[in-house]
Amino acid sequence: QKEVEQNSGPLSVPEGAIASLNCTYSDRGSQSFFWYRQYSGKSPELIMFIYSNGDKEDGRFTAQLNKASQYVSLLIRDSQPSDSATYLCAVRGYGGSQGNLIFGKGTKLSVKP
Amino acid sequence: DGGITQSPKYLFRKEGQNVTLSCEQNLNHDAMYWYRQDPGQGLRLIYYSQIVNDFQKGDIAEGYSVSREKKESFPLTVTSAQKNPTAFYLCASSIGNVRQTNYGYTFGSGTRLTVV
Repeated sequence: QKEVEQNSGPLSVPEGAIASLNCTYSDRGSQSFFWYRQYSGKSPELIMFIYSNGDKEDGRFTAQLNKASQYVSLLIRDSQPSDSATYLCAVRGYGGSQGNLIFGKGTKLSVKP
Repeated sequence: DGGITQSPKYLFRKEGQNVTLSCEQNLNHDAMYWYRQDPGQGLRLIYYSQIVNDFQKGDIAEGYSVSREKKESFPLTVTSAQKNPTAFYLCASSIGNVRQTNYGYTFGSGTRLTVV
C-alpha cells in the first residue's frame, strides 16, 4: 500500500516567520510531487509541483525534494494570516493506476498575527 | 474560462434515496476522479476514469456508481447502499496518467452531501 505521511498539526507560526511543512512517501518509484492548499470548506488548490531533486522556488513558496530520503517539503517565507489553511502533499507514480495521485491527510497551518 | 464545475453545491438526501452529483469539465482532460473528504480527514478515492466509457474502482467504491459516456462529464451516484454518505465530495480532472506525470489535478468546488 503506497502511503504519503504528513504531520496533521496544527502547525502554528507567527506572522512573518517561515513555515516548514513536511511529507514522506513510501513508493520509491514516485515521479512527481505536488502541494495543494485547502481553505476550510473549499476545494484543494495546486500551489507547487516538483519532480527533480533540489529546490524549486515560486514567490514566497519553496518546494524541496530529496528522493533518496523519500522526503518532500514546502517552505512558506514571510507567512501571512491568509496562508492559514490545510496543506496537502500528493505524490504521483508513473503510468496506469500508478499515475494516480496519492494524497496525504494534510497539515493544518495557522499563522498568528 | 476553462474549469471544472460541480453541482449542486449542497445536497440533502433522505434515507434510502439515490442521489446524483454532477461533474463537468471543459479542460479537455482525459482523466477524471471522485474523492470523498470527511471532516479532518484526507481525500479518499471513490472512482476514477482515464478514458471515455471506462472507469475503475478506487479505495471506497462500495455504495457508489459512476458513468463516463462523454469526455466532459463524470457523474457520481450515491446509492442507498452507502450507509454513511454525509461528506464533502470532490471531483477532479487531469491531462492523463500515461502521458505526463508532471500535471496535477484540477478540482471542482465540491458538493456537500448531508443525509436528513
